[in-house]
This record gives sequence, structure tokens and C-alpha cells, in this order.
Amino acid sequence: EPEVTQTPSHQVTQMGQEVILRCVPISNHLYFYWYRQILGQKVEFLVSFYNNEISEKSEIFDDQFSVERPDGSNFTLKIRSTKLEDSAMYFCASSERGGRYGYTFGSGTRLTVV
Amino acid sequence: ILNVEQSPQSLHVQEGDSTNFTCSFPSSNFYALHWYRWETAKSPEALFVMTLNGDEKKKGRISATLNTKEGYSYLYIKGSQPEDSATYLCARQGSGYALNFGKGTSLLVTP
Repeated sequence: EPEVTQTPSHQVTQMGQEVILRCVPISNHLYFYWYRQILGQKVEFLVSFYNNEISEKSEIFDDQFSVERPDGSNFTLKIRSTKLEDSAMYFCASSERGGRYGYTFGSGTRLTVV
Repeated sequence: ILNVEQSPQSLHVQEGDSTNFTCSFPSSNFYALHWYRWETAKSPEALFVMTLNGDEKKKGRISATLNTKEGYSYLYIKGSQPEDSATYLCARQGSGYALNFGKGTSLLVTP
């Protein structure tokens, strides 16, 4: 069964540092997403990406965040100048076409900002 | 804010019991309702994606219904097994690609 792979599984960073979370989506999927879940809260949408550009983003996804597909397989989320409140589980997901058959999620990266 | 609400928050049943959960969502500007099963330390796994009012979908012992006019969906599990223990998430998809999730129902099935 094809999987979405995320690395690292856990990242600890100092406040103010930049982090890059990495994802390898399913190879024939065209749409890519980042979500996050702060402990005890709902899973929240951050951004969707299609055809090498952002197709939709939430209010959370401000100038501190950026996404990139640097090559044919990786999809990254960069968080600049991390804050304590950025601590969360970050999930990458991909889908064939707009999610009609559901999204395939990775198992997440636990980001802890200290 | 498009709030998706799930109830109950948690549920503890005995093996063999049948159970159901509710997901309520704003019905305006609706495209699809997703159900995901999320086991601890794993990734959320898609169960169903439903778009049409009156849709019913089934996967083994799990089934779901959709009412888009009143904005709710039910997930049913028949004859619960310990391996059904997980958090069940519903998510509303509007006109774009973003999923708006509920907080989930945590199910524990004991032998």
C-alpha cells in the first residue's frame, strides 16, 4: 500500500530557529497538503499545493510559513523564527484529485519548540 | 468559522456491541464529508468520502450515512471488535480542498 512518508518523526527546536519538515507524497498524487494538530485541539488545515503553487491557505499560514516542492518527490514545510505556539503535530497529506477518494496522510512530525 | 462537531467525545463499548457516532456540520457551501480512522501512533486512514444527500457507504462492519440538508452524518460500527479501537474523525470539505475537522470520537472496545 503506498504511503506518505514524513521526516523527522520528532523535532525539537529552540524558539526563533527555522525548521524544515519533510514529506514524500504518493508518487501519482497531484495535490499536497499540510495540516497541524496542537495538543488537545482539532486538526487544522494549513495549506494546499497543486501544480507547483499554493492553491489555498488558511489564516494560520502567514509569512512565517512557506512550502516548496524542490524536486519530483519531496514536499517541505518551512517555519521561520519558530514560536512556542508552533509546537504541534504536523501532518502532510496527498490526494489524486481534490480529495474525492480521501486524502492519504503521513504519520506526522511532532514539533516541540522550547 | 465553519464548526464541525462530533459526539460523543469518547465511547467505551464491549466487544460485539454495535455503536454509532454523529458528525454535524454547516450545510452551506458543502462539497463532501470525509470520515477517517486514526489509531494511536499511526496516520489517519480514509474510511469514506460522501458528497450526495442520502449517500450511504459501507466497508465491512462500518457504514456511514449523510444528510446534507440538515448537516449531519452518522458512522455505524456493527459488532465492534478490539481492533476497532481508534479515534474517528469527520471532516467537511467546502468549495476548496481544505478539510475542516471535528475533534473526533475516541472509541475503546474491550474484550
